[in-house]
Amino acid sequence: EVQLVESGGGLVQPGGSLRLSCAASEFTFSSYEMNWVRQAPGKGLEWLSSISSLDSIINYADSVKGRFTISRDNAKNSLYLQMNSLRAEDTAVYYCAREIPASIGAFDIWGQGTMVTVSS
Amino acid sequence: SYVLTQPPSVSVAPGQTARITCGGDNIGSKSVHWYQQKPGQAPVVVVYDDSDRPSGIPERFSGSNSGNTATLTITRVEVGDEADYYCQVWDSSSGVFGTGTKVTVL
Repeated sequence: EVQLVESGGGLVQPGGSLRLSCAASEFTFSSYEMNWVRQAPGKGLEWLSSISSLDSIINYADSVKGRFTISRDNAKNSLYLQMNSLRAEDTAVYYCAREIPASIGAFDIWGQGTMVTVSS
Repeated sequence: SYVLTQPPSVSVAPGQTARITCGGDNIGSKSVHWYQQKPGQAPVVVVYDDSDRPSGIPERFSGSNSGNTATLTITRVEVGDEADYYCQVWDSSSGVFGTGTKVTVL
């Protein structure tokens, strides 16, 4: 089954760091652009970052630019999000999502999400 | 930054048609994607590139996009369609989601 599985979430103090991982299976990970999207409790979806298949093109939302870093290891079929200088407003469920290659950036496969809580 | 505006809620009776709008400046020039999200679950794409449907999505789900408004139409609404729906576009290499619409099946 084609799937994405996130891990690495948890409780972290304000100003702290966390690294999220997203493991891909049953598809050719290296051929797909990948993204991170988050959802604060009771709120809507927020796009965070994208990375091209060969990590040559990377984009960030203004809300995380300079604090978060997206990366990928195609040999390990894995996507990462390094999150530094975390704030209370970063508390959310974080999803990784795969883009449909033939589309203009639609996300067809999502992970189940990993919860990040930023609190003292 | 680009803003996508959706009505907070839409109510519809079973068997009727639900229309969810997504407003944005000249959104007709962009490709719009629609996601369905049920409580505690990850989003699922139901329409992409304005009007294409992924395999497994019923024909009851359709999309259109013109001018400043994109629309997701759900015909013959079922109880199982009750969920939050989000539109999404790309603007200046950034993903943008709409504010979300809660569809309630009465």
